[in-house]
Amino acid sequence: GQSLEQPSEVTAVEGAIVQINCTYQTSGFYGLSWYQQHDGGAPTFLSYNALDGLEETGRFSSFLSRSDSYGYLLLQELQMKDSASYFCAVRDSGAGSYQLTFGKGTKLSVIP
Amino acid sequence: EPEVTQTPSHQVTQMGQEVILRCVPISNHLYFYWYRQILGQKVEFLVSFYNNEISEKSEIFDDQFSVERPDGSNFTLKIRSTKLEDSAMYFCASSESSTATYEQYFGPGTRLTVT
Repeated sequence: GQSLEQPSEVTAVEGAIVQINCTYQTSGFYGLSWYQQHDGGAPTFLSYNALDGLEETGRFSSFLSRSDSYGYLLLQELQMKDSASYFCAVRDSGAGSYQLTFGKGTKLSVIP
Repeated sequence: EPEVTQTPSHQVTQMGQEVILRCVPISNHLYFYWYRQILGQKVEFLVSFYNNEISEKSEIFDDQFSVERPDGSNFTLKIRSTKLEDSAMYFCASSESSTATYEQYFGPGTRLTVT
């Protein structure tokens, strides 16, 4: 089975940098994705790491260490609109497996 | 920008009734999914669908659930006899190819309330 651990809540100040960690235990592993979900909204894809290292997309970066079964999402220059829940999700490496298994989510609150 | 659409946005039904949730995936996408999210909890996988058949399904997706792609655009989730615990937000998602299934595009969801 799959299990993902991430902090339940994080609070950060507007303009600051915040890191949301995710550790996973999976029977197979293909890659780690990050999704953003505003209250009442749908999950929206942010980034994906299949290989070790840092992927940067604008203010958001994501990191993966396969040997440590660990990744993080880094949000820079925080804005109030970044207040949302952030989910890490893994894709299993099994043949014909396309599902994503999501973590429980980290609720980020950005304060002035 | 193309998007996944879902109807209805909110469905209220009585326990034991059948409901059909509808989705129109992005037109050039080949892989389709249903997820559900109970209020305040994580997103849970239900089923994936490719080439007109179920690819995989979770333990949640029991005999009460079925999916169908009745035509070239719609993708439906049917719950045969709803239970109180089926109350949740149901998300449809789609992805372009097998190599891009990590990037799934979600619809706005259907909030199902079973009374």
